[in-house]
Amino acid sequence: SAVISQKPSRDICQRGTSLTIQCQVDSQVTMMFWYRQQPGQSLTLIATANQGSEATYESGFVIDKFPISRPNLTFSTLTVSNMSPEDSSIYLCSVEEEGTIQYFGAGTRLSVL
Amino acid sequence: AQRVTQPEKLLSVFKGAPVELKCNYSYSGSPELFWYVQYSRQRLQLLLRHISRESIKGFTADLNKGETSFHLKKPFAQEEDSAMYYCALGQGAQKLVFGQGTRLTINP
Repeated sequence: SAVISQKPSRDICQRGTSLTIQCQVDSQVTMMFWYRQQPGQSLTLIATANQGSEATYESGFVIDKFPISRPNLTFSTLTVSNMSPEDSSIYLCSVEEEGTIQYFGAGTRLSVL
Repeated sequence: AQRVTQPEKLLSVFKGAPVELKCNYSYSGSPELFWYVQYSRQRLQLLLRHISRESIKGFTADLNKGETSFHLKKPFAQEEDSAMYYCALGQGAQKLVFGQGTRLTINP
């Protein structure tokens, strides 16, 4: 399975600032996904990122708030913009392999003060 | 709308006892179901998926389309099974919809 490195592993940020989370994969993958896990909640898909095209956002998530880059087949970034305390969550990236299986990064634990 | 329901947030059983983690789904198409597990301080990882029909770490799960269920079972629980378990439904373009998760605790 793919090895996924996600950075930073955690951060504490001030309200109104932005944080960019990086996801690096050790092999080329077509589809990458970004999820959010709010405290005590399950994982919710933010967007799907394919190389060479704009990310596809799920209902309730917009590009201005969560811009995503996918410059190549091994890397993606998610930015959480103009943060508020409600953005405090764990953010995870995942990649798809073997047609249907998703493998996850370790996550970024974000706290917004 | 596609939905995955795990009715138990917490489940506690004794070592050696049978375990069943419930999962129900709603989906209009042909479902693809998964169980993911997250052990303490580890990342989320795939435990098993319905199309493989295999047993992993003694766990099995059978897709019951009539009851729209995909319950996870193990006949004899072990302490190392203590973890957070998520049932997930695969949709088009391989998007996953996750249930709320069940925290399983195995008591010695």
